[in-house]
Amino acid sequence: DIQLTQSPSFLSASVGDRVTITCRASQGISSYLAWYQQKPGKAPKLLIYAASTLQSGVPSRFSGSGSGTEFTLTISSLQPEDFATYYCQQLNSYPPTFGQGTKLEIK
Amino acid sequence: EVQLVESGGGLVQPGGSLRLSCAASGFTFSSYWMSWVRQAPGKGLEWVANIKQDGSEKYYVDSVKGRFTISRDNAKNSLYLQMNSLRAEDTAVYYCARGITIFGVSTGFDYWGQGTLVTVSS
Repeated sequence: DIQLTQSPSFLSASVGDRVTITCRASQGISSYLAWYQQKPGKAPKLLIYAASTLQSGVPSRFSGSGSGTEFTLTISSLQPEDFATYYCQQLNSYPPTFGQGTKLEIK
Repeated sequence: EVQLVESGGGLVQPGGSLRLSCAASGFTFSSYWMSWVRQAPGKGLEWVANIKQDGSEKYYVDSVKGRFTISRDNAKNSLYLQMNSLRAEDTAVYYCARGITIFGVSTGFDYWGQGTLVTVSS
């Protein structure tokens, strides 16, 4: 199975900050990577697919980049509603695995 | 409006069985791959299984192979997960999710249900 490692696992930031979360794959996955946001007690929400394509309705402050084994999710200017847990997911091969998550907290 | 509504969760003893359902509406259900994804309490996400549009292909994570069966009824716009020989480690919120495919390649899950809690305990 392909392992995804997210860094950092915890991130403390302030409203207006620019933050970057990294997802590294144990082997190359081309651009078959998605990013999700999950708030407590809620289902995950798709933010980015195919590594860099913004899902419809997602604010443009979210962006994704990368290919192969290293990927990033960037939030250009944090808003109060962005404090949540973020997961990456690879869909290059079965099983489609998720990273362990990055919890973004208010500083 | 796309909606996915899971049901069927509950408390079951180890070794028992449970059948989860996911009712879909607001889209052409028969045109999409569908998946089950679970999340143990306080833990991360784990993909469990998926099924092709016509039910001809099914895939499972190793930990549930031989115990869980995914199925769908396109006439009823419904997805199912039959879970047998349940273990404590199957305790989780189970989500159904719709798959996005681009040129036949899966690229993510764009809609998720609210989840149904399965607790395996004596």
